[in-house]
Amino acid sequence: QLQLQESGPGLVKPSETLSLTCSVSGGSISTSSYYWGWIRQPPGKGLEWIGNIYYSGSSYYNPSLKSRVTISVDTSKNQFSLKLSSVSAADTAVYLCARVMWQIYDGELRLHAFDIWGQGTMVTVSS
Amino acid sequence: QSALTQPASVSGSPGQSITISCTGTSSDVGGYNYVSWYQQHPGKAPKLMIYEVSNRPSGVSNRFSGSKSAYTASLTISGLQAEDEANYYCSSYTSSSTVVFGGGTKLTVL
Repeated sequence: QLQLQESGPGLVKPSETLSLTCSVSGGSISTSSYYWGWIRQPPGKGLEWIGNIYYSGSSYYNPSLKSRVTISVDTSKNQFSLKLSSVSAADTAVYLCARVMWQIYDGELRLHAFDIWGQGTMVTVSS
Repeated sequence: QSALTQPASVSGSPGQSITISCTGTSSDVGGYNYVSWYQQHPGKAPKLMIYEVSNRPSGVSNRFSGSKSAYTASLTISGLQAEDEANYYCSSYTSSSTVVFGGGTKLTVL
């Protein structure tokens, strides 16, 4: 049974870089059938998509975060990672990783649903 | 990209049916059949309930159904049960090759 687990510091200082890792167990991250993604949820608020990555390294980002986000993949460790730079209090949230369903339609790659999720990890931005 | 529009809250009694709406634009909900719905209990990770507008993943009760008309997608829960009380989020693929979520709807079972 596939499982995802987020890990990383729970406290990050303003202006620094937030770094998280999602470890995948019970299956290979190198499958051609799925992408892998990051989503966040500020306390008491809704979900916000951050970005997705394929095992080959192909990635897509939320335009509102794109200038600060890097998502990478390490197939040898069966992990993918998130880096968010220049953080502020507005980046305080539960960060979740997930497996992403995709389809090719009309020659266009469509990443569209998150079918397996990690439990999430709370990251607080504070000095 | 703007968040999809959902009602902040809906409620219903056990055994009843409720519908949660999710309104977007021609660039997301109206343009593609890639609307998903998620159930999230407090302190838990979201769970995929519906994908591609109306498909249920294995293991999801057939009391949950999805549909779409023009720019609005809907999630219907029939035979409401106490354990259905949760927050529900819709999401859609967009023309920018991105994903956008709705603001979420709190379902209260009276």
